[in-house]
Amino acid sequence: KQEVTQIPAALSVPEGENLVLNCSFTDSAIYNLQWFRQDPGKGLTSLLLIQSSQREQTSGRLNASLDKSSGRSTLYIAASQPGDSATYLCAVRPRVSGGSNYKLTFGKGTLLTVNP
Amino acid sequence: EAQVTQNPRYLITVTGKKLTVTCSQNMNHEYMSWYRQDPGLGLRQIYYSMNVEVTDKGDVPEGYKVSRKEKRNFPLILESPSPNQTSLYFCASGTGPNTIYFGEGSWLTVV
Repeated sequence: KQEVTQIPAALSVPEGENLVLNCSFTDSAIYNLQWFRQDPGKGLTSLLLIQSSQREQTSGRLNASLDKSSGRSTLYIAASQPGDSATYLCAVRPRVSGGSNYKLTFGKGTLLTVNP
Repeated sequence: EAQVTQNPRYLITVTGKKLTVTCSQNMNHEYMSWYRQDPGLGLRQIYYSMNVEVTDKGDVPEGYKVSRKEKRNFPLILESPSPNQTSLYFCASGTGPNTIYFGEGSWLTVV
């Protein structure tokens, strides 16, 4: 059974700092890995999606890497801002056929606070 | 605008009183799913549907029912809610394993 772990559970940094969020998964047979952002009272917003054949994806100040063989992904946030404060979730999809291929297995998230 | 709409967003109900949380998407997606989010447990899949009249259990289906009579709607039914079903519920839809959209969540409290 796939398990996804995110470290740290919470992180508080001063504005402007670069930071790294970590995600690890136990089963390397994944289709893709996705990073989401969750704001209080809001749904999940997709940030970056990395296919199993890719090593990294970038969007603005965000960079996500994937090392499938070691079961690890990192989300790098450059020059953090108070508006980046949110919970960041990592999720993986299995490499299987049918409906189970759509299923996301989530980590418990990292609560990020960026202080002005 | 692409949307997944859930209702109600907030609900306090009593044990045993049947309730339905509706979910509707305007993107003609075939795939829809329900998750629940609990502190310390993260998000877990309850049920999913690959198309009209095609539904299947996720990881935590006990105490829930779903139906998919129309492509756009995927209601979550709690026939006899219990306090352990107090949670934040999310509906999601997608066209394939590379796309997924989430609703804003429904806070449910069962007393």
